[in-house]
Amino acid sequence: DAGVTQSPTHLIKTRGQQVTLRCSPKSGHDTVSWYQQALGQGPQFIFQYYEEEERQRGNFPDRFSGHQFPNYSSELNVNALLLGDSALYLCASSLRLAGITDTQYFGPGTRLTVL
Amino acid sequence: AQSVTQPDIHITVSEGASLELRCNYSYGATPYLFWYVQSPGQGLQLLLKYFSGDTLVQGIKGFEAEFKRSQSSFNLRKPSVHWSDAAEYFCAGLSGSNYQLIWGAGTKLIIKP
Repeated sequence: DAGVTQSPTHLIKTRGQQVTLRCSPKSGHDTVSWYQQALGQGPQFIFQYYEEEERQRGNFPDRFSGHQFPNYSSELNVNALLLGDSALYLCASSLRLAGITDTQYFGPGTRLTVL
Repeated sequence: AQSVTQPDIHITVSEGASLELRCNYSYGATPYLFWYVQSPGQGLQLLLKYFSGDTLVQGIKGFEAEFKRSQSSFNLRKPSVHWSDAAEYFCAGLSGSNYQLIWGAGTKLIIKP
């Protein structure tokens, strides 16, 4: 049973470019959350997708957008990249029906570097 | 505002010694609390979680944590650390119907041989 997978592992972009990160949830999970983890800090919640809709959003600008597909996989898109967007982007999956206390399972992350 | 604080950025412990990592929370109601571990190049792994009931929670890898409402704390403990425990440890919380995990800044655990 594969856990949460993310691609790519590493990515280098320049300021102003756009990037798409991908996430496949753990088998049986239907909810995907995205987090940004800057160096030396804890993760910051970006948003959560369930039933192909954004259900909750953290304090991130509209440059950050996402999508969830019918197979529950998800994409995170960031437009007009800034140097400050350099971070580890983490995807986590869970099962909505299991409730708020259900464990979130994390992928290994995508390391984005903006030059 | 809801928050989770980990006061220690780094902790150095000798192998075989006991460990306590501190976590304080600020929530209106009793939050759900979690401890995760992050090893280099690996995803965050859940060690344990607290929802209600017994305030002493057992987790994986020999870790336990104690919820103390009077101190707004949820400290992580291990009686004897191993070199493989060297990693970064994160405390996180959520409450109500909000699925948004709020995280501490993490504590890096360094093991001395």
